[in-house]
Amino acid sequence: NAGVMQNPRHLVRRRGQEARLRCSPMKGHSHVYWYRQLPEEGLKFMVYLQKENIIDESGMPKERFSAEFPKEGPSILRIQQVVRGDSAAYFCASSPSSNTEAFFGQGTRLTVV
Amino acid sequence: AQSVTQLDSHVSVSEGTPVLLRCNYSSSYSPSLFWYVQHPNKGLQLLLKYTSAATLVKGINGFEAEFKKSETSFHLTKPSAHMSDAAEYFCVVSEGRTNAGKSTFGDGTTLTVKP
Repeated sequence: NAGVMQNPRHLVRRRGQEARLRCSPMKGHSHVYWYRQLPEEGLKFMVYLQKENIIDESGMPKERFSAEFPKEGPSILRIQQVVRGDSAAYFCASSPSSNTEAFFGQGTRLTVV
Repeated sequence: AQSVTQLDSHVSVSEGTPVLLRCNYSSSYSPSLFWYVQHPNKGLQLLLKYTSAATLVKGINGFEAEFKKSETSFHLTKPSAHMSDAAEYFCVVSEGRTNAGKSTFGDGTTLTVKP
């Protein structure tokens, strides 16, 4: 059973472009969580999704950021019109239900130039 | 509401000496607590977890942590540091029995191991 797969591992975008980060949860996992890690900081919760539903988006910035987890395919974190401050590592975790352990992916490191 | 404070941003030890990484938490519920390790440019690896069972929790690579409710602490220890232990360590609190859902991470402690 492959772990949580995130791609790309590294992403470079120019200011104003869009960034799309993908997260394929572990097989059988229908709950996905996105976290952001700014340089030299801990991870900060962004959003919790279940298939086709956003459960908790209290950590998402109000503008430019969106997330989805469609019925088929990976979860996508989309950042529109990226700015330098969006440069960070974005981690995804998945779990089979809301009360079982979540496993983290390797992260996507976004650099905005 | 929940929060976690890692009391030291940097800890430096000599190889073969004990490691102590301190973590205090607050939670409105009976929390679950976790320690993760992150090596440079790598993902997160779960070291150990406390989910209301035994208060002394043993994890991988010789690490252990003790849940002390009266002190709201969950300090991470290891009797003898190894060079490969040099990494970033995160204490995590979650309202619930697992880390699924909205977990709160500490800001991390960087462990340096000197030869």
